[in-house]
Amino acid sequence: SAVISQKPSRDICQRGTSLTIQCQVDSQVTMMFWYRQQPGQSLTLIATANQGSEATYESGFVIDKFPISRPNLTFSTLTVSNMSPEDSSIYLCSVEGQGVADTQYFGPGTRLTVL
Amino acid sequence: GQSLEQPSEVTAVEGAIVQINCTYQTSGFYGLSWYQQHDGGAPTFLSYNALDGLEETGRFSSFLSRSDSYGYLLLQELQMKDSASYFCAVRRTDSWGKLQFGAGTQVVVTP
Repeated sequence: SAVISQKPSRDICQRGTSLTIQCQVDSQVTMMFWYRQQPGQSLTLIATANQGSEATYESGFVIDKFPISRPNLTFSTLTVSNMSPEDSSIYLCSVEGQGVADTQYFGPGTRLTVL
Repeated sequence: GQSLEQPSEVTAVEGAIVQINCTYQTSGFYGLSWYQQHDGGAPTFLSYNALDGLEETGRFSSFLSRSDSYGYLLLQELQMKDSASYFCAVRRTDSWGKLQFGAGTQVVVTP
């Protein structure tokens, strides 16, 4: 299994500001994934972060709004830029399970509230 | 495109059996997964079906029928701690690693 930590666990931010969320994994992984989960809703994939290349974004998500860094095989950041109340969500990072059929492991999430 | 449909909520008493259905429309996928998420917690993996048939893991079982575009998660001997949201998910064929999730089913277990 993989142990994933995220910082911060929660934050309350003002409209127009930006927040960077950190994700740390206890093992080296090729791909890291960022998801958004709005209150009471399902998980929506934002982007896939590969070390050494640009992140690939899903439809409806753009790099200017959600820039991602992936400096090494155990760490990634997601920035939520120029925030609005609609960005209030839980943001989760996840990684593929190693050697376990079709498992993804999720971090504890960052609960963001934008005022 | 791909979409997965689940009931929004199921309520049952302790000790009962609950079946959560997942019907999907997809152009192709590797397998169907199930995740559990307690309120305020992270999703955790429960089960995966790559092939048709039943997979059993303790009190939880999962089933897949590709011909019927249908799967289900079976929760047996329900316990209070099973109160959570349950999501089905497919692994997309257009890019390995990406999961698309259903809307989730809230399971409420009552005494």
